[in-house]
Amino acid sequence: EPEVTQTPSHQVTQMGQEVILRCVPISNHLYFYWYRQILGQKVEFLVSFYNNEISEKSEIFDDQFSVERPDGSNFTLKIRSTKLEDSAMYFCASSAGQGQIYGYTFGSGTRLTVV
Amino acid sequence: AQSVTQLGSHVSVSEGALVLLRCNYSSSVPPYLFWYVQYPNQGLQLLLKYTTGATLVKGINGFEAEFKKSETSFHLTKPSAHMSDAAEYFCAVSGGGKSTFGDGTTLTVKP
Repeated sequence: EPEVTQTPSHQVTQMGQEVILRCVPISNHLYFYWYRQILGQKVEFLVSFYNNEISEKSEIFDDQFSVERPDGSNFTLKIRSTKLEDSAMYFCASSAGQGQIYGYTFGSGTRLTVV
Repeated sequence: AQSVTQLGSHVSVSEGALVLLRCNYSSSVPPYLFWYVQYPNQGLQLLLKYTTGATLVKGINGFEAEFKKSETSFHLTKPSAHMSDAAEYFCAVSGGGKSTFGDGTTLTVKP
C-alpha cells in the first residue's frame, strides 16, 4: 500500500539552527500538509500546499517556517531559526483530493528536539 | 470555527468487550468528521469518515461511528475489542480548509 515517507525519524538541533524536514508524499496525490503534535498536546495544523503554493496556513506558521516542493516527489518543511517551543512531532500528510474532506494519509513523523 | 471534544483521555476495556470512544464536535458549517488511529511510533491512520449521506459509517478493523446531528456527536464503536486495537484514537472535524483534532483517547485492552 502506498505510504507517505518522512525523514529523518528523529532530529536533534540546537536553538537558532535551521532544520529541514523531508517528506515524500504518495505519488498521485495533489494536496500536501504539515501538522505537528507537541508532546501531550493536540495535533495542530500548520500548512496546506496545492498547485505549488500555500493554500492555507495557521497562526503557528510564521515567517520562520517555509515549505517547498523542490521536485516532483519531495515536500519539505524548513524552520529557519529553531526555538525550544518548536520541539514536537511533525507529520507530513497528503491526499488525492482535499484532505479535510477525504481524509489524509499521514507519514510516521519526524520527532524534532530543539536543545 | 470548529472544535472537537473527546470525552475520556483513557479508556480501558477487556478483550471481547464493547469499545465506545466518545466525540462531540462544534462546527459553524455542515461538518466532515473523521476518526484516526495512531499506533506507537507511527503516523495517524484514517479509520473512517463521515461526509454526507448515511449517518452510520463503517471503517477498517471492524470500527463504526454514527453521526448524530442533534447531539453533535460522532462516537466510535466496535462490538468486540481485540488486543491489537490498543492505540490512541483521534476524532477530527473539518469545516474549512483544515481539520481540527481532538486531544485523543488512549485505548487499553486487557486480556
